[in-house]
Amino acid sequence: IQLTQSPSSLSASVGDRVTITCRASQGISSYLAWYQQKPGKAPKLLIYTASTLQSGVPSRFSGSGSGTDFTLTISSLQPEDFATYYCQQLDSYPLTFGGGTKVEIK
Amino acid sequence: EVQLVESGGGLVQPGGSLRLSCAASGFTFSDYYMDWVRQAPGKGLEWVGRIRNKANIYTTEYAASVKGRFTISRDDSKNSLSLLMNSLKTEDTAVYYCGRPHGTTYSDHHLDYWGQGALVTVSS
Repeated sequence: IQLTQSPSSLSASVGDRVTITCRASQGISSYLAWYQQKPGKAPKLLIYTASTLQSGVPSRFSGSGSGTDFTLTISSLQPEDFATYYCQQLDSYPLTFGGGTKVEIK
Repeated sequence: EVQLVESGGGLVQPGGSLRLSCAASGFTFSDYYMDWVRQAPGKGLEWVGRIRNKANIYTTEYAASVKGRFTISRDDSKNSLSLLMNSLKTEDTAVYYCGRPHGTTYSDHHLDYWGQGALVTVSS
């Protein structure tokens, strides 16, 4: 299953609302996770089963979607949110990641 | 506190072999599936493979890019996960992470804990 993330990069300001999309090449129900990765660090789980917020993750992060189309939304971008975001499908093997979306400071 | 610590990375020539290890602590290792994920320099994440737990007969899954060359194993008595990499290619150069799926049910396969990563460089 191929995952296509868009955009591949974006520039935004602190306080902006940011939306990242992930499209699967076939239906994956709600078996999708979102991760955040900062340079030189391991990825961090943000969202699982498409819309469930991982414990300890700020509520400005939210996820939605099912089937083939998914979104990650950051309601009010904070300085610590500048990072690269990846989606991952967990519906069938081989598990796959999207290509990533780099969120940069405008 | 859950901790995953990779070791064994380094420089290896094309065609060579290398074994990575992941030491786990802070949870009942034997109950969990375990994954390997890699990231080539400047590139995105690529899932490498998974090993299930004893209850699921330690079965494995692999990405097509490594199937037949890489082998995932585990030693539950030592809380240790391994990745044996054979016939290495320059395109296998990456940081390799071990990760723990949250659970074994279908809706729990997201990785909630990750190691810090180990760099493998394949070059002559």
